[in-house]
Amino acid sequence: DIQMTQSPSSLSASVGDRVTITCRASQSITSYLNWYQQKPGKAPKLLIHAASSLQSGVPSRFSGSGSGTDFTLTISSLQPEDFATYYCQQSYSTALTFGGGTKVEIK
Amino acid sequence: QLQLQESGPGLVKPSETLSLICTVSGGSISSNSYYWGWIRQPPGKGLEWIGSIYYSGSTYYNPSLKSRVTMSVDTPKNQFSLTLSSVTAADTAMYYCARYYHGLEEYYFDSWGQGTLVTVSS
Repeated sequence: DIQMTQSPSSLSASVGDRVTITCRASQSITSYLNWYQQKPGKAPKLLIHAASSLQSGVPSRFSGSGSGTDFTLTISSLQPEDFATYYCQQSYSTALTFGGGTKVEIK
Repeated sequence: QLQLQESGPGLVKPSETLSLICTVSGGSISSNSYYWGWIRQPPGKGLEWIGSIYYSGSTYYNPSLKSRVTMSVDTPKNQFSLTLSSVTAADTAMYYCARYYHGLEEYYFDSWGQGTLVTVSS
């Protein structure tokens, strides 16, 4: 299986801050990397697919970058509705795997 | 607008079989571009992919669960299902069904059900 490691596991930030979350794959997954946002009690929501493509309807303050084994999700200016848990997921292998999640909390 | 709805028992006894159904509305389960998947999330923990199925019946399962998982599709009813045998407390989780876009060079879960909590307990 391809292991996906996210860091940090949690962070505290203020409204307006720039936030960066990283995801590392245990082997190259080229650009087969997706990012999801999950709020408490809700299903995950797709934010970014193919490492850097913004899903329709997702605010432009969200962006993704990277290829190979190292990827980044950036929120350019954190908004109150962005406090949530974020997961990366690789779709390179038919055995899909998710990262452990990064919880973004209010400072 | 596509909607997915999970249904099934909320309580299953240890060693028994968990069975869930996902009903798809607002779109066809027989679409060429999509697989259909199950993902679970134990309370307070992260996401774990269980498996995916195409309308033709082709399946991919998580290797760690493969011996206990069976997925099937019912195209006339626009439903797909999950069975997980020999459950233990470790199988207690929120179970989500989701649509998996299968494009030329990108694949992702783009639509999710609200989830159903399954507790394994005697």
